[in-house]
Amino acid sequence: ETGVTQSPTHLIKTRGQQVTLRCSSQSGHNTVSWYQQALGQGPQFIFQYYREEENGRGNFPPRFSGLQFPNYSSELNVNALELDDSALYLCASSWGRTGELFFGEGSRLTVL
Amino acid sequence: EDQVTQSPEALRLQEGESSSLNCSYTVSGLRGLFWYRQDPGKGPEFLFTLYSAGEEKEKERLKATLTKKESFLHITAPKPEDSATYLCAVQASGLTQGGSEKLVFGKGTKLTVNP
Repeated sequence: ETGVTQSPTHLIKTRGQQVTLRCSSQSGHNTVSWYQQALGQGPQFIFQYYREEENGRGNFPPRFSGLQFPNYSSELNVNALELDDSALYLCASSWGRTGELFFGEGSRLTVL
Repeated sequence: EDQVTQSPEALRLQEGESSSLNCSYTVSGLRGLFWYRQDPGKGPEFLFTLYSAGEEKEKERLKATLTKKESFLHITAPKPEDSATYLCAVQASGLTQGGSEKLVFGKGTKLTVNP
């Protein structure tokens, strides 16, 4: 059974640039959620995808967008990067809308 | 106002010294309370789900309990490998956004167990 994998693991961008983060969900899971975790904080919900449709969104601006593909993998796109976007971005997969999430190891984004 | 509050922020124990971590919540329509463990530089790892007051779950040296307003994670005779940040999260009907019942996490308790 393959777990949740995320890429890239680390990246550095400058303000105003755009970034795409990728996530492969665990085998058999049809739901992907994205969370942002700032240093010393708990993860914050960005959005969730279920069967390729956005299924709920947290308090993040529209420059945060995403996709889910037929194989249930997912992308998180962030446009017009700001310094405050520096964080660990976590992808989690699950079967349905359960709170029992399986997280990847995250993508550490630094915005300079 | 924080909907999920964890205390203490940090806890340092000697190996074998039992203690408890607290998670209090103020949401309505609780669907579930979840405990996760997070090692440095890693994603959270699911530990327990609790659904109703009075429920208890155990796994090795960890035991989670739930009341109507808070949950405790009891650690019995901890070992250095139990050192991690423990995160509490709630899922509630009052937190529904779109079709999803998102998890709201606390800031975590950083546990250090010294040998």
